[in-house]
Amino acid sequence: SSELTQDPAVSVALGQTVRITCQGDSLRSYYASWYQQKPGQAPVLVIYGKNNRPSGIPDRFSGSSSGNTASLTITGAQAEDEADYYCNSRDSSGNHLRVFGGGTKLTVL
Amino acid sequence: QVQLQESGPGLVKPSETLSLTCAVSGYSISSGYYWGWIRQPPGKGLEWIGSIYHSGSTYYNPSLKSRVTISVDTSKNQFSLKLSSVTAADTAVYYCARDYYGSGSYYWVVYFDYWGQGTLVTVSS
Repeated sequence: SSELTQDPAVSVALGQTVRITCQGDSLRSYYASWYQQKPGQAPVLVIYGKNNRPSGIPDRFSGSSSGNTASLTITGAQAEDEADYYCNSRDSSGNHLRVFGGGTKLTVL
Repeated sequence: QVQLQESGPGLVKPSETLSLTCAVSGYSISSGYYWGWIRQPPGKGLEWIGSIYHSGSTYYNPSLKSRVTISVDTSKNQFSLKLSSVTAADTAVYYCARDYYGSGSYYWVVYFDYWGQGTLVTVSS
């Protein structure tokens, strides 16, 4: 079982805004990072830290955190944003262990 | 540009040891960062296997710890994964990635910023 919980599936109409959430006790002390994975491809980092985007990631992707919940928001979702999204952080034990959420399948309608 | 490339057998027999190597280019492993292995069974989510610091300190997923060894060879700028006593449940795409852990403005920051393309390892006789 994962210490980070994500909704299995979310859908959004083209051009609308969608929020994908990740819950876990460790998120009270660690920022989540977010990854986009398209079929047959390696995951790509889209958000890290408080709200940082690697070079090349569109600014429609943003991150936020409150309490034990981290969120990835896509403002103005595009067809190419349809993918699986995973959150990642440390575990809640205080050790140097990493953990991934179970993933959210985003469908753009 | 940092690049990672996994290599190793694509087919391993049950009870044997899976061995993979990740070659890093564009960045010297000895300069810093952690370096990690992540796997993804077909149709399933990502699972962190373990990470190694450039100095050699290792951290493993508790569910795999008894079977996993990660090592680093700074002279070749690569790091390796060994997973012993494999079963069909270890069939997965295995990724290597650069692993960052450090302090942020309020919280600690963790992320995997560069990934290899992944390599499918099938456990079958």
